[in-house]
Formats: sequence, structure tokens, C-alpha cells
Amino acid sequence: EIVLTQSPDFQSVTPKEKVTVTCRASQSLGNNLHWYQQKPGQSPRLLIRYTSQSISGVPSRFSGSGSGTDFTLTINSLEAEDAAAYYCHQSSSLPYTFGQGTKLEIK
Amino acid sequence: EGQLVESGGGLVKPGGSLRLSCAASGFTFSNAWMNWVRQAPGKGLEWVGRIKSETDGGTTDYAAPVKGRFTISRDDSKNTLYLQLNSLKTEDTAVYYCATTGGTYWGQGTLVTVSS
Repeated sequence: EIVLTQSPDFQSVTPKEKVTVTCRASQSLGNNLHWYQQKPGQSPRLLIRYTSQSISGVPSRFSGSGSGTDFTLTINSLEAEDAAAYYCHQSSSLPYTFGQGTKLEIK
Repeated sequence: EGQLVESGGGLVKPGGSLRLSCAASGFTFSNAWMNWVRQAPGKGLEWVGRIKSETDGGTTDYAAPVKGRFTISRDDSKNTLYLQLNSLKTEDTAVYYCATTGGTYWGQGTLVTVSS
């Protein structure tokens, strides 16, 4: 089973700040790494697919990068509405797995 | 716009069974590979399993903690996905989501509580 380790687990950030969330995989994923946002009481929302592909309707301040075992979600100019948990997810091999999540709090 | 709506959650005793449903609309369900994902209270997301489209064989795969106890099936004539949960344990307590492979569509989730 591929283990995904996110860092940090928690971050308190101010609006307009640039935020970076990393996801490290226990083995190579190619580009089969995706990012989700989940706000309290809501279902997960796809932000980025296949490492860096943007999703229609997702603000352009969200971007993804990386390859192999190291991946990054970047949020440029954070907004208050970005307070949420963020998860990476791999579909490279079964069983599919998720990272443990990163909770962003807005100061 | 695609939509997924889960139903069937509830309170069940350890060792009991439950069947969840996921009704799909707004996209070609028969072509979709479908997944179940769960989230225990206050915890992260956990992939439960998936079923391929019938044209791709309709086969299923499961996460280790549920293999042999849970069964995923689909009825393309009803645009509905199912999750049969048997031999339930307290640690199966979670919100269960259905989602398309690729993550485009997710349901709102249905809560399963396993408790005596």
C-alpha cells in the first residue's frame, strides 16, 4: 500500500499569504496525484488532478506541481474562504490512498 | 451537471448489516468507474473500494479493512451504485461517500453508526 504523508498537519495563516502543502509518497506515483479541499460539513471538492491539471470552477490561486514521490499544492494569496482541510490522493495503484490531511486555519 | 445522492445510512449493532445506495444523475453512469470513500468522525478520508464499468469488466477492488465484509455492486438500468456492509464493526462508523473515479462528482454522504 502506498502511504502518503502530508506536511504540515496544521497551519494558521493570514489572508493574502502564500501557502504550500506538501505530499510525499512511499513510492513513485508518476503524475497520479490529486488534491481535494474539504470544508466542515461538506463533501470533498476536487482542486487539482494529475499533479497539476486545473479544474473548471476552481480559483486560479490553486496550483499543483511535482512528480514521482514529491508533490506540492500551492495557494497564492490565500482568502478567508480557503479555510479547510486539504487532502492528497493517489490513483497510481490499488488500494487507492489519501494523505492524512492538512488543516488550514485563517488568522 | 452531475449529481450523486447517497441513502441508507443509520444505526446498526455490531455484527449487523446495512445496504447503502448512491443514485446518479446528470452524467453517463454506465461509463463511470465508481468508488466508495468513508470518513470516520473527526478523521481523514479512507478509500473503501471501487467498481469498474460493465464495459470494462465490472470488477471490484477493496481496501484491506473491508475486504470480505463489504460488497460493491451497480445497477446501470437504475443509475445506482450500492455498498453492502456486513459483519459491521464499531470502527466502520463513518460518513460514506460515493464518488466517480477522477473525483469530479461526490455525493453528500450518508452516516453509518455501528454501536450497541
